[in-house]
Amino acid sequence: EPEVTQTPSHQVTQMGQEVILRCVPISNHLYFYWYRQILGQKVEFLVSFYNNEISEKSEIFDDQFSVERPDGSNFTLKIRSTKLEDSAMYFCASTRETGDTQYFGPGTRLTVL
Amino acid sequence: AQSVTQLDSQVPVFEEAPVELRCNYSSSVSVYLFWYVQYPNQGLQLLLKYLSGSTLVKGINGFEAEFNKSQTSFHLRKPSVHISDTAEYFCAVSARTGGSYIPTFGRGTSLIVHP
Repeated sequence: EPEVTQTPSHQVTQMGQEVILRCVPISNHLYFYWYRQILGQKVEFLVSFYNNEISEKSEIFDDQFSVERPDGSNFTLKIRSTKLEDSAMYFCASTRETGDTQYFGPGTRLTVL
Repeated sequence: AQSVTQLDSQVPVFEEAPVELRCNYSSSVSVYLFWYVQYPNQGLQLLLKYLSGSTLVKGINGFEAEFNKSQTSFHLRKPSVHISDTAEYFCAVSARTGGSYIPTFGRGTSLIVHP
């Protein structure tokens, strides 16, 4: 069964550094998402991406964040200058049609020191 | 905007006992409803979903949920739990925002099954 993959599984970085989190969505899916889950808290929507552009974003997704689909398979989340409060689990998800089931990757745990 | 309330942060239960995890939502428009399970150190996996039709929805691993529009609830149930059901359970509501359906997640309920 096809699945969403994410790399790395764990990323440790120094405050102020740039990080890129990578995701490979399911190949025939058209809508892509990033979510964040701070330890012990709920899953929070960051951004959705369709047709090579952002379709929706939350107030969390400020100028420090950007997303890109650099080729036909990868979907990346970049944090330009990480802050301590960016430490969280970041999940990528994809779906074929908006409103349908979202398939989640295993997540990348980001630790900012 | 929609919101989701999971009333219990933690539900301890003994193996083979029944369990209900509660979820209430609010939305001014029609919604889709989902339950996801998160096992330790893993991503979210869909348990079941309600899009339309029968209000009783059956999912994987013996779980089911009932959509109650008048009470704006979507409680998750299982008649007999197993140790392996120990996990975090998230209720999610999806409504159309602009051109997309963006899900809103509840805070999660930790189901702890004791032997």
